[in-house]
Amino acid sequence: GENVEQHPSTLSVQEGDSAVIKCTYSDSASNYFPWYKQELGKGPQLIIDIRSNVGEKKDQRIAVTLNKTAKHFSLHITETQPEDSAVYFCAASIQGGKLIFGQGTELSVKP
Amino acid sequence: GAGVSQSPSNKVTEKGKDVELRCDPISGHTALYWYRQSLGQGLEFLIYFQGNSAPDKSGLPSDRFSAERTGGSVSTLTIQRTQQEDSAVYLCASSPDPGSEKLFFGSGTQLSVL
Repeated sequence: GENVEQHPSTLSVQEGDSAVIKCTYSDSASNYFPWYKQELGKGPQLIIDIRSNVGEKKDQRIAVTLNKTAKHFSLHITETQPEDSAVYFCAASIQGGKLIFGQGTELSVKP
Repeated sequence: GAGVSQSPSNKVTEKGKDVELRCDPISGHTALYWYRQSLGQGLEFLIYFQGNSAPDKSGLPSDRFSAERTGGSVSTLTIQRTQQEDSAVYLCASSPDPGSEKLFFGSGTQLSVL
């Protein structure tokens, strides 16, 4: 069935460094790829998304890139700050409007 | 405005008991989803309601799990004869319209089956 693989599962960076999280998906019909941030005790919150007709999208310190041919997409966070510490999930849409999520990446930004 | 509201926030139950988890979506949102998040795992799709259409139940792990959505608003996820492997955070999300895939999540219900 449809699958989304996410790497790495944990990532530790120094404040100010960049962080990159990568995902691959299996359903070639997927056309929507959001990223969610989940802080402790809260539900996931959408931080950025990209559609298949776009190769890259940027919003301040975060950006997402998409390679449809290779079926992978990545989240890039620049100038990381301690408040970026959280669990990040990628997702891909499948038929019927559902989202299939990756396993999550626990990002730790050390001051 | 208010976000997605889930209750209870925590539920401890004994193996074999039934539990009901409630989700109150954002007013006016037509789509409602239930996901399950086990410790250290991603979000596992359970069920999806869209307007008056028949729900997509393809993610329900067994016939012990069921959900309903009354009046196109509040939803209840019921787990019968709970098992220890049912322990997880159950997340509800809503989406504003049929064409939108942007999900707004509640804070979840932490279910612990002893």
